[in-house]
Amino acid sequence: DVKVTQSSRYLVKRTGEKVFLECVQDMDHENMFWYRQDPGLGLRLIYFSYDVKMKEKGDIPEGYSVSREKKERFSLILESASTNQTSMYLCASRGGSGEKLFFGSGTQLSVL
Amino acid sequence: AQSVSQHNHHVILSEAASLELGCNYSYGGTVNLFWYVQYPGQHLQLLLKYFSGDPLVKGIKGFEAEFIKSKFSFNLRKPSVQWSDTAEYFCAVNAPQAGRRALTFGSGTRLQVQP
Repeated sequence: DVKVTQSSRYLVKRTGEKVFLECVQDMDHENMFWYRQDPGLGLRLIYFSYDVKMKEKGDIPEGYSVSREKKERFSLILESASTNQTSMYLCASRGGSGEKLFFGSGTQLSVL
Repeated sequence: AQSVSQHNHHVILSEAASLELGCNYSYGGTVNLFWYVQYPGQHLQLLLKYFSGDPLVKGIKGFEAEFIKSKFSFNLRKPSVQWSDTAEYFCAVNAPQAGRRALTFGSGTRLQVQP
């Protein structure tokens, strides 16, 4: 089965720090996604990538950037973390547009 | 912009009760529709999906959903819930032909099944 691995399960950072969230998938999927999950708001798309070095903004890209240098790895970067970025961050990957998403276990980020 | 509405935020049922969770989406073109489930402490997984054809789709664990195009709805149903169905359920939509390849998710419905 597809495995999507997120590097950290829990992360605590201070306001203003630069934060890197890493995600690796092992099924040669073209598409990778970063969502954040907040109670009562569901999942909101931050960025996605449909190929190496290709990216598209999602619905809430402000304060975030991404990097996809290799097909299997998709990184989310918080340039200067703020308290309103405290959230659960979910990475997902997918083959074609009609295929199902495979999610990682998530990274619970707390920004103090 | 495309949006997905799940009007039931928290549903509490007794075992063996029937379930229907509402989902409405705003996009008028061709869409793909999904229901995902997140069991406590687990990652999200696909319950079922609709692309075309029979508007009544069956998924895993006895769940089904009906696509009603005229109502822009894709409601999830199960005739008899079990305690193990306690989870959060998310409806999701994408529209690849219109350039929206990524899924838009609803806000989720938390289902609590009491034994």
